[in-house]
Amino acid sequence: GAVVSQHPSRVICKSGTSVKIECRSLDFQATTMFWYRQFPKKSLMLMATSNEGSKATYEQGVEKDKFLINHASLTLSTLTVTSAHPEDSSFYICSARPGTSYEQYFGPGTRLTVT
Amino acid sequence: AQSVSQHNHHVILSEAASLELGCNYSYGGTVNLFWYVQYPGQHLQLLLKYFSGDPLVKGIKGFEAEFIKSKFSFNLRKPSVQWSDTAEYFCAVIPFRNQGGKLIFGQGTELSVKP
Repeated sequence: GAVVSQHPSRVICKSGTSVKIECRSLDFQATTMFWYRQFPKKSLMLMATSNEGSKATYEQGVEKDKFLINHASLTLSTLTVTSAHPEDSSFYICSARPGTSYEQYFGPGTRLTVT
Repeated sequence: AQSVSQHNHHVILSEAASLELGCNYSYGGTVNLFWYVQYPGQHLQLLLKYFSGDPLVKGIKGFEAEFIKSKFSFNLRKPSVQWSDTAEYFCAVIPFRNQGGKLIFGQGTELSVKP
């Protein structure tokens, strides 16, 4: 149980375009989802916390107009990287938390390459 | 600044050697503690967690961790490592005062086990 999927697993886009990444909890309802960014050989950096039906809470330094997050249902959150630039190239990971549990379940990540 | 610190960036061991990875945090009060593992090309998986009770926590794959409150530490141990333990290991903390149950990650420790 507690499986989280991400789609796509890899995406290559041109500079200036937008790309959407989906995060789904497959067998549980996630009231909260988190979006992280992981640089090579680095830790996970929390970008934002997404609560179903409300606006996402962004961490300091993360541009909310660039990284649009939508948590439309209890099983789906999306991250849209708008007007992507090469420096946005990274590994994006989501996690989902069921109910009031403190435990998070992680997706497999999405490798974004902006050319 | 409050943080989670993993002292070892890269650890190289031979098979059957014992492992101890250090983790210290700087948050006061009650915390929830986690160790995650990321095998090459795979998503983060929970190794073990501590919420309360016995400070010696058993996890999957023969791993254990000991919470020492006075030292603000949660070190990960395994008596005898295998080649398949080669991975990135992350310590993470949820400070109780932290709103939204956000996980704060350490920098990660890369473990390489030589066959």
